[in-house]
Amino acid sequence: SQTIHQWPATLVQPVGSPLSLECTVEGTSNPNLYWYRQAAGRGLQLLFYSVGIGQISSEVPQNLSASRPQDRQFILSSKKLLLSDSGFYLCAWSVQGSYGYTFGSGTRLTVV
Amino acid sequence: KQEVTQIPAALSVPEGENLVLNCSFTDSAIYNLQWFRQDPGKGLTSLLLIQSSQREQTSGRLNASLDKSSGRSTLYIAASQPGDSATYLCAVTLLRVTGGGNKLTFGTGTQLKVEL
Repeated sequence: SQTIHQWPATLVQPVGSPLSLECTVEGTSNPNLYWYRQAAGRGLQLLFYSVGIGQISSEVPQNLSASRPQDRQFILSSKKLLLSDSGFYLCAWSVQGSYGYTFGSGTRLTVV
Repeated sequence: KQEVTQIPAALSVPEGENLVLNCSFTDSAIYNLQWFRQDPGKGLTSLLLIQSSQREQTSGRLNASLDKSSGRSTLYIAASQPGDSATYLCAVTLLRVTGGGNKLTFGTGTQLKVEL
């Protein structure tokens, strides 16, 4: 069965520090992978998506970047965090040509 | 640009009541529509997925309908329970564009509270 792992669950980081959030998928090949952010009291915003290794599309200009070094691994990074980067980050996957999304359990990031 | 709206934004009902959550979208050229549940501080759990060719899907006490022409979907919850308390999100995927990644556009959510 397919599973998606996201870690860490919570993270408190000082302003200006780097960030690395990791997401891995099991049980499927060549998935589409996504990073979403949910800020407090706001809806879900798509940050990045990837349709294959090394292929990253950015939806909004921001302080973050994404990478896909392996087929089932998706990483969200920042060199220097801002207060506005605080939020709930969700990774998701879908199979190309099909059939809905599956989300990870999320990472609560607080930048202080 | 696809916009997805959910009404009401919040809803409080007594246990046992049947209820309907509404979702509307502006671009009817959708690939599918998915309903999710989100508990506070948690990720999203998929409830029902309706393909664009389908009219409805059912799972247990949940029934979701889709009317593409009018740009609407409803989520019907029968015999509500306190455990149903959560935020419910609908999301649509536009018709797939090659290399486009089947991006989801989310609604604003309905926060449901079922009281004893």
